[in-house]
Amino acid sequence: GQQLNQSPQSMFIQEGEDVSMNCTSSSIFNTWLWYKQDPGEGPVLLIALYKAGELTSNGRLTAQFGITRKDSFLNISASIPSDVGIYFCAGRSDGSSNTGKLIFGQGTTLQVKP
Amino acid sequence: DTGVSQNPRHKITKRGQNVTFRCDPISEHNRLYWYRQTLGQGPEFLTYFQNEAQLEKSRLLSDRFSAERPKGSFSTLEIQRTEQGDSAMYLCASSPEQYFGPGTRLTVT
Repeated sequence: GQQLNQSPQSMFIQEGEDVSMNCTSSSIFNTWLWYKQDPGEGPVLLIALYKAGELTSNGRLTAQFGITRKDSFLNISASIPSDVGIYFCAGRSDGSSNTGKLIFGQGTTLQVKP
Repeated sequence: DTGVSQNPRHKITKRGQNVTFRCDPISEHNRLYWYRQTLGQGPEFLTYFQNEAQLEKSRLLSDRFSAERPKGSFSTLEIQRTEQGDSAMYLCASSPEQYFGPGTRLTVT
């Protein structure tokens, strides 16, 4: 079945540093989504990407939809302590025959040292 | 609050008991999804509803699991004869864009 490989698995960085994480797939997706999850809570949608090559920003977050449609990356600039959490990528195959279910990566755990 | 809500937030049950979780999606969202998340993993798809119709079920959804969405609004997920392996976070999401609820953490002792 489809699988997403997300890397790195974890990161421990200094406050103010930039962060980059990526996700690759063995299959093509029509939509890439990035979520952040805090302990004991559900994932919160950060950025949605709908078009190959698309580059989208949300505050200090920037994400890109790879042109092959098999990868995506997320950058966080000038990290702050509240960026701590687990970041997940998710891919979706759209179309009339698809239900829109998401395939998730394994997550990147981010820790920020003040 | 117009987000996705789930109840209960936490459930501890003994092996062999039945449990039922509820999800209230964002109003007017006709697509509803259930996912299961175990520690250290991303969420895994369980089942999908479009309005009241259950249109897809994952192989993860054994015959002990049943989900309903009787009026196309809220949904319930029932697990019968719970096993320790059922311990996980059960997440609900509604679409057109997949916004998740806070989840129900199930612990089977």
